[in-house]
Amino acid sequence: GAVVSQHPSRVICKSGTSVKIECRSLDFQATTMFWYRQFPKQSLMLMATSNEGSKATYEQGVEKDKFLINHASLTLSTLTVTSAHPEDSSFYICSAGDEGNSPLHFGNGTRLTVT
Amino acid sequence: KNQVEQSPQSLIILEGKNCTLQCNYTVSPFSNLRWYKQDTGRGPVSLTIMTFSENTKSNGRYTATLDADTKQSSLHITASQLSDSASYICVVSVRGSSYKLIFGSGTRLLVRP
Repeated sequence: GAVVSQHPSRVICKSGTSVKIECRSLDFQATTMFWYRQFPKQSLMLMATSNEGSKATYEQGVEKDKFLINHASLTLSTLTVTSAHPEDSSFYICSAGDEGNSPLHFGNGTRLTVT
Repeated sequence: KNQVEQSPQSLIILEGKNCTLQCNYTVSPFSNLRWYKQDTGRGPVSLTIMTFSENTKSNGRYTATLDADTKQSSLHITASQLSDSASYICVVSVRGSSYKLIFGSGTRLLVRP
């Protein structure tokens, strides 16, 4: 079945540095991918919609200059957390899906810890 | 306002027992409703997806129901196993925008031996 691969699964970085997270669709082309953030014991919160070949669409309250999204191909989207701070520590999840009613497929998430 | 509410917030059951999780939504226009299982530290995995015309769908020991009139859904787990311990998330899709999803806050299920 369709699979979405996310890398890395865990990352620890120092405050002020930038971290890049990759999201790949392995056996299908995804013109649209999605980035979510999840705090402990809470559900997923959509951060942005990544569109291949165009600018990402950010949800209200999400800083586009802090969370840079690049969707350079039909199988790869990247999220870069720039100048990370401890409050950016969270679980980041990407998803992609086929058209219509096909279930969105989620990556396994990236646990980011900023020290 | 589009909302998805799940109950209970958390649940503890003994291995082998059955349980039912609830989902109420006020999403309009409705496209489909999905149930996902999310293990701790992992991404959600799809269990079922139902459109307006479907009122039940099974996936192994998981059976989802949908009442589009009352805007309610349930997820029934039969003969629970320890590996069923996870969060179960109800997600409703808005019609006209395939990827506009409204997430419930999830039910955290713990199955004890």
